[in-house]
Amino acid sequence: DIQMTQSPSSLSASVGDGVTITCRASQTISSHLNWYQQKPGTAPKLLIFGASSFQSGVPSRFSGSGSGTDFTLTISSLQPEDFATYYCQQSYSTPYTFGQGTKLEIK
Amino acid sequence: EVQMVESGGGLVNPGGSLRLSCPASGFGFSGTWMSWVRQAPGKGLEWVGRIKSRTAGGTTDYGEAVRGRFTISRDDSKNTLYLQMNSLKSEDTAVYYCTALASSGGIIFDIFWGHGALVTVSS
Repeated sequence: DIQMTQSPSSLSASVGDGVTITCRASQTISSHLNWYQQKPGTAPKLLIFGASSFQSGVPSRFSGSGSGTDFTLTISSLQPEDFATYYCQQSYSTPYTFGQGTKLEIK
Repeated sequence: EVQMVESGGGLVNPGGSLRLSCPASGFGFSGTWMSWVRQAPGKGLEWVGRIKSRTAGGTTDYGEAVRGRFTISRDDSKNTLYLQMNSLKSEDTAVYYCTALASSGGIIFDIFWGHGALVTVSS
């Protein structure tokens, strides 16, 4: 199975800050990398698929990059609604494994 | 509007069985690959398994933790996804989400998510 490792596991930041979350795959996954946002008590929501393609309705302050084994999710200017937990997921091969999550908290 | 509402969750004894259902509407269910993802209390997301559409062969794949105990099936006439869970263990306690998969440029992703059903395995 492909292992996905996110860093950091948690992150504190202020409204208006820019932040970057990284995700590393244990083997190459080309661009088969998705990012999800989850708020407490709710289902995850797709943000980015294929490493860098936006899901409809996702604000432009979110961006994704990378290919092969190393990927990043960047939020350019944090808004109050962005404080949540973020997960990467590889869909290169089954099982479609998730990273352990990055909890983004308000400083 | 897309709706997917899981049902069938609840409390079950270790070693017991439970079947989750996920009726779906608002998209072409029969042509959509579907999956189950779970989340243990306070933990991250774990991929349970996937079923392809009938036209793609209808085959299933499972995560290692549930392989041989869980079975995913679908009834396209009812637009419903199922998860049959047998030989349940305490570590299967989680919220179970059904998801609809989409593909773009060969990239597969979970585009729609249900609200989740809580399964608690405890004596």
